[in-house]
Amino acid sequence: LAKTTQPISMDSYEGQEVNITCSHNNIATNDYITWYQQFPSQGPRFIIQGYKTKVTNEVASLFIPADRKSSTLSLPRVSLSDTAVYYCLVGEASGGYNKLIFGAGTRLAVHP
Amino acid sequence: NAGVTQTPKFQVLKTGQSMTLQCAQDMNHNSMYWYRQDPGMGLRLIYYSASEGTTDKGEVPNGYNVSRLNKREFSLRLESAAPSQTSVYFCASSVGGRGETQYFGPGTRLLVL
Repeated sequence: LAKTTQPISMDSYEGQEVNITCSHNNIATNDYITWYQQFPSQGPRFIIQGYKTKVTNEVASLFIPADRKSSTLSLPRVSLSDTAVYYCLVGEASGGYNKLIFGAGTRLAVHP
Repeated sequence: NAGVTQTPKFQVLKTGQSMTLQCAQDMNHNSMYWYRQDPGMGLRLIYYSASEGTTDKGEVPNGYNVSRLNKREFSLRLESAAPSQTSVYFCASSVGGRGETQYFGPGTRLLVL
């Protein structure tokens, strides 16, 4: 199983760019990298997914180097509402179906 | 379109009691999942159902059973609740297949005394 390692917590201020890096040394050739966001008392919510290089959507960017052993979630100009736990997951397939392994995540606190 | 719904939202049980957590999705997804989340921890997969009629164990299946009633519904049963099962339970669904995005319900908070 591809295990992920990410910082336990991070602090930032409104308007700054936040980069959260995740290590996944044992990523398999066909695995995807997915990031989820979780607010207190809610279920996780999908943010972004990628396989290699760079992916960008309306809320974040995901940078994946050529060796794919790590990835970086970039949140541009964070606001107080971005305070949440962010999970990095590597897709684990068994029989063609997806089983995601959630780690402890990174607790991001955005300050005024 | 409600997405993924879970009932109940909160439940208190005594040790040894049984209960069933209900989950339903209206997105016509093939795969469904049950996770538990302990305080300050990430989610751990209990069981999943790749498609209607199939179920499989996840990371922490002991003490639980599941039923994929139809394509929409996936229930989780605790036959004899234990204090160690106090947790928040999340149901999720996905279209199915490798790397598919999972959509989560609001969770059920379970307290076992």
